[in-house]
Amino acid sequence: EAGVTQFPSHSVIEKGQTVTLRCDPISGHDNLYWYRRVMGKEIKFLLHFVKESKQDESGMPNNRFLAERTGGTYSTLKVQPAELEDSGVYFCASSLTGGFGYTFGSGTRLTVV
Amino acid sequence: DAKTTQPTSMDCAEGRAANLPCNHSTISGNEYVYWYRQIHSQGPQYIIHGLKNNETNEMASLIITEDRKSSTLILPHATLRDTAVYYCIAPLTPGNTPLVFGKGTRLSVIA
Repeated sequence: EAGVTQFPSHSVIEKGQTVTLRCDPISGHDNLYWYRRVMGKEIKFLLHFVKESKQDESGMPNNRFLAERTGGTYSTLKVQPAELEDSGVYFCASSLTGGFGYTFGSGTRLTVV
Repeated sequence: DAKTTQPTSMDCAEGRAANLPCNHSTISGNEYVYWYRQIHSQGPQYIIHGLKNNETNEMASLIITEDRKSSTLILPHATLRDTAVYYCIAPLTPGNTPLVFGKGTRLSVIA
């Protein structure tokens, strides 16, 4: 079974530009989560999808962040416009309702310069 | 999620058992205890989870006290590659609610 795949693995963009991160969950997993870790801080929850619906987006920092999961399969997280403080590693995870496992991707390291 | 408390850091000699404690005194009857670890900047890696019985897999053992207010993760023979931050988490509804990470325990395995 393929794991959670994130793309790209690294991204360096200038302040003010737009970046889109992608996450492909484990096939069949209806729950998809986005997290972020900025340097020196804890891993912070951003948002939770159940299929294509946003179940909980309480962790999204501000309206420069937009997450979508059209069709309930892969998800994208767009940052527009990017700011310096958005730098960090963005993780995606997926799980199956009624199951017990949460599988994380390898993350996307975003650097805003 | 039940609040969990872990020591900030621990050291362990290579080849010895690493015992990582976690307090979760507010845990409810149906909240599982999960352990994950993050090695450097990699994605968090699942280690083990349990409800009330002790659990063992190829990576570790999980010992949960009878009152479920605390647990211990045991890495039986720590290696240098086990150096990581270890997180003890008790999600409200496993599989359906997000894992909420705290500060975790930074385990340093020393040669």
